[in-house]
Amino acid sequence: SQQGEEDPQALSIQEGENATMNCSYKTSINNLQWYRQNSGRGLVHLILIRSNEREKHSGRLRVTLDTSKKSSSLLITASRAADTASYFCATGSYGNNRLAFGKGNQVVVIP
Amino acid sequence: EPEVTQTPSHQVTQMGQEVILRCVPISNHLYFYWYRQILGQKVEFLVSFYNNEISEKSEIFDDQFSVERPDGSNFTLKIRSTKLEDSAMYFCASSDPPLAGDTDTQYFGPGTRLTVL
Repeated sequence: SQQGEEDPQALSIQEGENATMNCSYKTSINNLQWYRQNSGRGLVHLILIRSNEREKHSGRLRVTLDTSKKSSSLLITASRAADTASYFCATGSYGNNRLAFGKGNQVVVIP
Repeated sequence: EPEVTQTPSHQVTQMGQEVILRCVPISNHLYFYWYRQILGQKVEFLVSFYNNEISEKSEIFDDQFSVERPDGSNFTLKIRSTKLEDSAMYFCASSDPPLAGDTDTQYFGPGTRLTVL
């Protein structure tokens, strides 16, 4: 899982399998966003979930948010080789507009 | 689809030199940001900018750093006297204005890799 002092998670799966990654945070949040980063490239926004939402879908992505546990998960269904990337969660808080990023989860999808 | 662009993609400079990193945010966005990512580390917030002034900055954003919107399209980050530890990937981002204090989706550019020798 991300944030705090946890080590980044590395996940290696076969194409077609589902990939699940987790993120935890410490403070109260307004929203949580997931980003993808291919090696050495920019951050691509995937999905945003607000603090009053519990689950959200976008295509093959499903994100959950548990504010009582201060955690979120991102599920990628039917993974493809092109999903190979690092995935970051980032939290937005009330009263400011900075995003706080986690350390990231590396996902390798083997064709 | 509109996107944030950044130039140059890679900048190499000598320690002590000034560098200017350039960004063109998405055209109808009003909030602009700079983040950096030191190799192998987290993405870190540097500064946010709205209505021609800094709205928030982190402890990293010291007097060596400055931002400017010199015209209606560009947003720049200047580092006055670069240090070795400034070597990082610098990301620009932009977003619509926050709604009722919320932080909206931030769209990131591809980044500028700064190498300080």
